[in-house]
Amino acid sequence: EDKVVQSPLSLVVHEGDTVTLNCSYEVTNFRSLLWYKQEKKAPTFLFMLTSSGIEKKSGRLSSILDKKELFSILNITATQTGDSAVYLCAVEGGSEKLVFGKGTKLTVNP
Amino acid sequence: KAGVTQTPRYLIKTRGQQVTLSCSPISGHRSVSWYQQTPGQGLQFLFEYFSETQRNKGNFPGRFSGRQFSNSRSEMNVSTLELGDSALYLCASSLSRARDGGELFFGEGSRLTVL
Repeated sequence: EDKVVQSPLSLVVHEGDTVTLNCSYEVTNFRSLLWYKQEKKAPTFLFMLTSSGIEKKSGRLSSILDKKELFSILNITATQTGDSAVYLCAVEGGSEKLVFGKGTKLTVNP
Repeated sequence: KAGVTQTPRYLIKTRGQQVTLSCSPISGHRSVSWYQQTPGQGLQFLFEYFSETQRNKGNFPGRFSGRQFSNSRSEMNVSTLELGDSALYLCASSLSRARDGGELFFGEGSRLTVL
């Protein structure tokens, strides 16, 4: 059965810190890995990764995938209070279903 | 353009009752997926509909069912409600099927409480 494990489950940092969120997975016939940010209700899309070693970047957020070691990281530099959210990692494999991890709850204190 | 709309936003039911949740996708989107989100289990896939046909199903009992209409709007139904069905039910739409890498756009969810 496909599986996604995120770590840490929660994290508290101060504004300006840099954070790294981890996502490891086990999936048959890997197709893609996606990151979402969930602030209140609706998760919003951040990145989709399909190839190893190619960094995706959007402002202060970046992510990279390692298909050999079966993990991805999401980096946030110079964190702001608005980055406080639950960050979700999801993987799609041969089952064509998105399997989500339980998320990492990030709290950024001023 | 309008986002994904889910109704109702909040509802309270008692055990044994049934509930129907509705999802209107973004205009032009033909794929609708449903997810259940609970604190313990996270986001779990329920089913995916594309062009009025169920294309994929998660590991939920038969009490959970859904359908999609010709205008792409979707409903999901849970019969014989149990306490453990209390959750946030999220609907997501995309232009193409999830397997084709279509970005998912989520609605705000329907918060179901079963007493």
